[in-house]
Amino acid sequence: DTGVSQDPRHKITKRGQNVTFRCDPISEHNRLYWYRQTLGQGPEFLTYFQNEAQLEKSRLLSDRFSAERPKGSFSTLEIQRTEQGDSAMYLCASSSIPGQGANTEAFFGQGTRLTVV
Amino acid sequence: SQQGEEDPQALSIQEGENATMNCSYKTSINNLQWYRQNSGRGLVHLILIRSNEREKHSGRLRVTLDTSKKSSSLLITASRAADTASYFCAWQLTFGSGTQLTVLP
Repeated sequence: DTGVSQDPRHKITKRGQNVTFRCDPISEHNRLYWYRQTLGQGPEFLTYFQNEAQLEKSRLLSDRFSAERPKGSFSTLEIQRTEQGDSAMYLCASSSIPGQGANTEAFFGQGTRLTVV
Repeated sequence: SQQGEEDPQALSIQEGENATMNCSYKTSINNLQWYRQNSGRGLVHLILIRSNEREKHSGRLRVTLDTSKKSSSLLITASRAADTASYFCAWQLTFGSGTQLTVLP
């Protein structure tokens, strides 16, 4: 399977601990996106990269959240000093760079479910 | 928070019936996409409609787009129990709130 993979699939952590998630996009995709999704809601945009450059960050992304894509391939999302409100599914997606102003479809991973206790 | 709405929030129909879901958005768009999500899983891309298109078909799916009203609809014809899932519209980097479709056998 050469789709988007995320690791781990599930993470339970105590409040105040740091957690890091990894996303491996489809290899030929230049763009990588992070979303957060809570039960019964649509995904909320967090940030996205084009190659190694972080092009946009949502206001939802507090200073406790940091994302990297150091070599333009895999990406990590770190949450420091986790809070119970951080409990959610964290989704990663990748896509090609849009041509002529039109977006292309994004392929999503299965997500990492974070539970902060 | 999402910048658009989908309705209905939940829809329950019998197998074989058609299901229609609506999406409204607030910004100008280049295209709009529809995704499907089975419970606890990632999202799967269904169809993309460009801003200069009014209607698009893919198998049992039919999508319409009205840019003057900033709205789109997804029609699933001859529904099957396996169509049970949440359906989301998306534009730019934003997703709608989703419609939970249940198809009863």
